[in-house]
Amino acid sequence: EAGVTQFPSHSVIEKGQTVTLRCDPISGHDNLYWYRRVMGKEIKFLLHFVKESKQDESGMPNNRFLAERTGGTYSTLKVQPAELEDSGVYFCASSRRLAGGIEQFFGPGTRLTVL
Amino acid sequence: KNQVEQSPQSLIILEGKNCTLQCNYTVSPFSNLRWYKQDTGRGPVSLTIMTFSENTKSNGRYTATLDADTKQSSLHITASQLSDSASYICVVSAEERGSYIPTFGRGTSLIVHP
Repeated sequence: EAGVTQFPSHSVIEKGQTVTLRCDPISGHDNLYWYRRVMGKEIKFLLHFVKESKQDESGMPNNRFLAERTGGTYSTLKVQPAELEDSGVYFCASSRRLAGGIEQFFGPGTRLTVL
Repeated sequence: KNQVEQSPQSLIILEGKNCTLQCNYTVSPFSNLRWYKQDTGRGPVSLTIMTFSENTKSNGRYTATLDADTKQSSLHITASQLSDSASYICVVSAEERGSYIPTFGRGTSLIVHP
């Protein structure tokens, strides 16, 4: 079974540019999560999809961030326009069901650097 | 505000020794507590998952404990190996709005020396 994949692995952009991150969850996993780790801080929850619907997006920092999951398969996270404080590692995770004891499988992350 | 505090921040031990990592949390309403291992440049990998009614869970040389009354958890690593060098992250989830919102600790960086 293939794991969660993320693309690109690294992205370096200038302030004001747009970047789109992609996440492919494990096949059959309805639940998809985006997280972010800013340098020196803990990983923080951004949002949660159940299939194509946003179940919870309470962690999205502002309206410069747009997440989509058309068709309930892969997801994209767009940052437009990027700011310096958006730099960090963006993780995606997926799980088959939504329940407290269900394991989430993480992707390797996308390291975003905004100059 | 939900918070997860981990200690120590970093730890260096010799191969073959045991160690214990600590996690204190203030997360409500509590749903579950997870310990993850994160190798450099990779995503976190789940070690154990415990719900409210569980007070211990093992996964090979890793044993996690949970005291829901004192809101504390520990991760004990037995007979450490060089491959155990990694960051260990405690994550506590609250059930809210039909979802499980996780709060992550900053992790304990473990280095195992030969």
